[in-house]
Amino acid sequence: GDSVTQMEGPVTLSEEAFLTINCTYTATGYPSLFWYVQYPGEGLQLLLKATKADDKGSNKGFEATYRKETTSFHLEKGSVQVSDSAVYFCALSMSGGSNYKLTFGKGTLLTVNP
Amino acid sequence: DSGVTQTPKHLITATGQRVTLRCSPRSGDLSVYWYQQSLDQGLQFLIQYYNGEERAKGNILERFSAQQFPDLHSELNLSSLELGDSALYFCASSPHPWGGDEKLFFGSGTQLSVL
Repeated sequence: GDSVTQMEGPVTLSEEAFLTINCTYTATGYPSLFWYVQYPGEGLQLLLKATKADDKGSNKGFEATYRKETTSFHLEKGSVQVSDSAVYFCALSMSGGSNYKLTFGKGTLLTVNP
Repeated sequence: DSGVTQTPKHLITATGQRVTLRCSPRSGDLSVYWYQQSLDQGLQFLIQYYNGEERAKGNILERFSAQQFPDLHSELNLSSLELGDSALYFCASSPHPWGGDEKLFFGSGTQLSVL
């Protein structure tokens, strides 16, 4: 079945450091790919998405590019802030089917220190 | 604030008991999704409803059931509770019957502790 594998955390960085969180997927077709973020005590929020190969999703300084050849969707940010501390989830969905579900990775906890 | 409301925020109960978790979707959203988040399993899709009808089923146990009412709120019923059912249960909503590339809006979750 469809699955998402993301790098295990926790990841601890200093403010203004470069961030990469790796995500790879397994799917039978051509999924849409997402990054969701969960701040402490809150529900998940969509951070960015990409719906086809070579698309780049971006939001709040975060970017991820849909790479079909490597089945990857790595999250990057050039300069992290303390306020970016959260759990980040990579996810996929298969478009157009009636049995829709969003399949998530296990999440990566990011802590940014001042 | 996502606009999705879940109650209660915390629930503590004993093994063998039955509980009901409630979710009110964003205004105008017809689809409701339930997810279970635990440390070992991560975020697992349980079930989806659209406009009162079950639309998709995931890893939902037979001891669990859900429904969506005419006013579009949803309830997740968990019975014969076991220690392993302790988890954070999220509800999410979206406007459409199936997602694909659309965005889900998540509530803040109900933390269930089974003692």
